[in-house]
Amino acid sequence: NAGVMQNPRHLVRRRGQEARLRCSPVKGHSHVYWYRQLPEEGLKFMVYLQKENIIDESGMPKERFSAEFPKEGPSILRIQQVVRGDSAAYFCASSPDSPETQYFGPGTRLLVL
Amino acid sequence: AQSVTQPDIHITVSEGASLELRCNYSYGATPYLFWYVQSPGQGLQLLLKYFSGDTLVQGIKGFEAEFKRSQSSFNLRKPSVHWSDAAEYFCAVGATGGYQKVTFGTGTKLQVIP
Repeated sequence: NAGVMQNPRHLVRRRGQEARLRCSPVKGHSHVYWYRQLPEEGLKFMVYLQKENIIDESGMPKERFSAEFPKEGPSILRIQQVVRGDSAAYFCASSPDSPETQYFGPGTRLLVL
Repeated sequence: AQSVTQPDIHITVSEGASLELRCNYSYGATPYLFWYVQSPGQGLQLLLKYFSGDTLVQGIKGFEAEFKRSQSSFNLRKPSVHWSDAAEYFCAVGATGGYQKVTFGTGTKLQVIP
């Protein structure tokens, strides 16, 4: 069984560009979570989605960030007009149900120049 | 809201020595507790979890953790550390009921010396 897949693994953007991070959950998992890890810090919850629904986005910045988990295809975390402070590792996790153990992907490391 | 404290930022142990990583949580009800390990540049791997039942939990790679409600702790232990255990370890707490919003500690970096 494939685990959680994230791509790209590394992403370099210039200030003002858009970043699109993709997450394919474990097959059969319908719950997706996004976390951000700043250098030398732990993971911070951003958003929790089920298929086609955002359940909790309390950890998402109010502007420039959005997330979706469509009926078909991967979950997408989108950051518009990136700034240097967005440089971080973004991790996606999935679970078969909730509450339940979350399984993490390898992360996307975003660098904003 | 739940919170997790990992008081040790860095720990250095000799290979073959025992290890204990501390974790204290704050949560009003019975929590779900996790330990994850992260190698440099990698994602998080689940070591073990506590949902209910036996308070001593066995995990992968020879790790175990004990849930102590009276102390609000969930310390991770290993009797004999291997060089390959060098990594960063994260304790996490998840809210029970409803969906699971997991809160992570800031991590403990483990260095293993020969």
